[in-house]
Amino acid sequence: AQKITQTQPGMFVQEKEAVTLDCTYDTSDPSYGLFWYKQPSSGEMIFLIYQGSYDQQNATEGRYSLNFQKARKSANLVISASQLGDSAMYFCAMREYNNNDMRFGAGTRLTVKP
Amino acid sequence: ETGVTQSPTHLIKTRGQQVTLRCSSQSGHNTVSWYQQALGQGPQFIFQYYREEENGRGNFPPRFSGLQFPNYSSELNVNALELDDSALYLCASSLVAGGLGETQYFGPGTRLLVL
Repeated sequence: AQKITQTQPGMFVQEKEAVTLDCTYDTSDPSYGLFWYKQPSSGEMIFLIYQGSYDQQNATEGRYSLNFQKARKSANLVISASQLGDSAMYFCAMREYNNNDMRFGAGTRLTVKP
Repeated sequence: ETGVTQSPTHLIKTRGQQVTLRCSSQSGHNTVSWYQQALGQGPQFIFQYYREEENGRGNFPPRFSGLQFPNYSSELNVNALELDDSALYLCASSLVAGGLGETQYFGPGTRLLVL
């Protein structure tokens, strides 16, 4: 069964600095996709970035990049130049190729300090 | 382009009652997934609907049921409510069902409180 682990319940970062949010996963399926979502206090999950298991390069979307280390089964999210509006819960999620069940980690609460 | 909408935003019910939550998918999306997010936890997959048929289900009892309509909007029904059903219910729509790169776009959620 697929499992997602986010070991950092909370993280603090100074405005304009970079921060890395950790995510490890467990699957026996060679084909899978990894996602990161941001959830502000309003509750809506906002899609940030996607990485496929066969992608050769790390995904990037603006200030977001995904540090994908397949052998270690980790998919860490890097946010560069943090902004106050980045303060939110961040969730790592995974879906296997033949499974419609997208599994989420427990999340990391990021607080950006001015 | 209209995003995913959900109604109602908040709901209070008592144990044993039934509830219906509604979701309108993003324009052009034919797949809807429902998730339950308990306080302090990540979302848990309830089920997915694709072209009006259930297309996968998580570890939830049969009292959680759903529907998808021809316009791809969807309902989540929960019978015999229990206190543990108190949670944020999230609906997500996507352009296609399945596939590794299927990105799901979420609505704002419905906060259900069962007393």
